[in-house]
Amino acid sequence: GAGVSQSPSNKVTEKGKDVELRCDPISGHTALYWYRQSLGQGLEFLIYFQGNSAPDKSGLPSDRFSAERTGGSVSTLTIQRTQQEDSAVYLCASSSTGTANSPLHFGNGTRLTVT
Amino acid sequence: SQQGEEDPQALSIQEGENATMNCSYKTSINNLQWYRQNSGRGLVHLILIRSNEREKHSGRLRVTLDTSKKSSSLLITASRAADTASYFCATDAYGGFKTIFGAGTRLFVKA
Repeated sequence: GAGVSQSPSNKVTEKGKDVELRCDPISGHTALYWYRQSLGQGLEFLIYFQGNSAPDKSGLPSDRFSAERTGGSVSTLTIQRTQQEDSAVYLCASSSTGTANSPLHFGNGTRLTVT
Repeated sequence: SQQGEEDPQALSIQEGENATMNCSYKTSINNLQWYRQNSGRGLVHLILIRSNEREKHSGRLRVTLDTSKKSSSLLITASRAADTASYFCATDAYGGFKTIFGAGTRLFVKA
C-alpha cells in the first residue's frame, strides 16, 4: 500500500518568508510525528499527534513553528518568518497504534533551504 | 534532549566483516528500536526489542538489550557494501507516548 508521502520534496525560500510542509500519513495510522534533521545529525523531535488527543508540542524550537493535523489524517507543519538556521530536512512519520510499541513509517522528507 | 546516544559516531569496515554499533539511553523504556537511513532521507525500521527481551535476530541482524546498563547493541554480520548507511536507535521516553532518536552511527562498508 501507499507509504507516508511528504510534499514538497525540496523547498528553497528566502529568509523571512513563511513555508508550509505537508505530510500524508499511512491510512488508518493514529499517530503522526514531525522530526527535523540537520546535515549529518540525528533526528530532533518536533511534535507528535495521537488520535484526537492534544498534540505534544514540546519539541517545537520556537513560536515560529506550528503544526496541525486535520481530520486525524493530513498534517501541515508551518514555519513563519523563516531563518537560515531553519534549513534542514523535515521528516514526517506515522505509526499504527501511537505507542512506541509500533514501528514508525517515514516519508522521504522535505529538504528546506532558507537563503 | 536526545534519549539515545550511539557509539561509535562513524565506523568503516571491509565487506564481509561484522559491524557492531552501540546505543545507550537515559531513562527506563518499554522497547528499543533500530532504524537505517540511506541518503539522508526517510528512515527504515529494522528491528524492535522489548524491555523484557535480551536478544533478537532478524536475518543478518542481531540486537541485544541490557536494561540494567541501559544499553543496546546492533550487530550486522557478513556486511555488504549495501549496508552503508546511518543507523539510529530509538526509544520510547517519559511514558511511552513518543519515540526519541539518538544521533546515529554512520557505517561505511568498503567493497
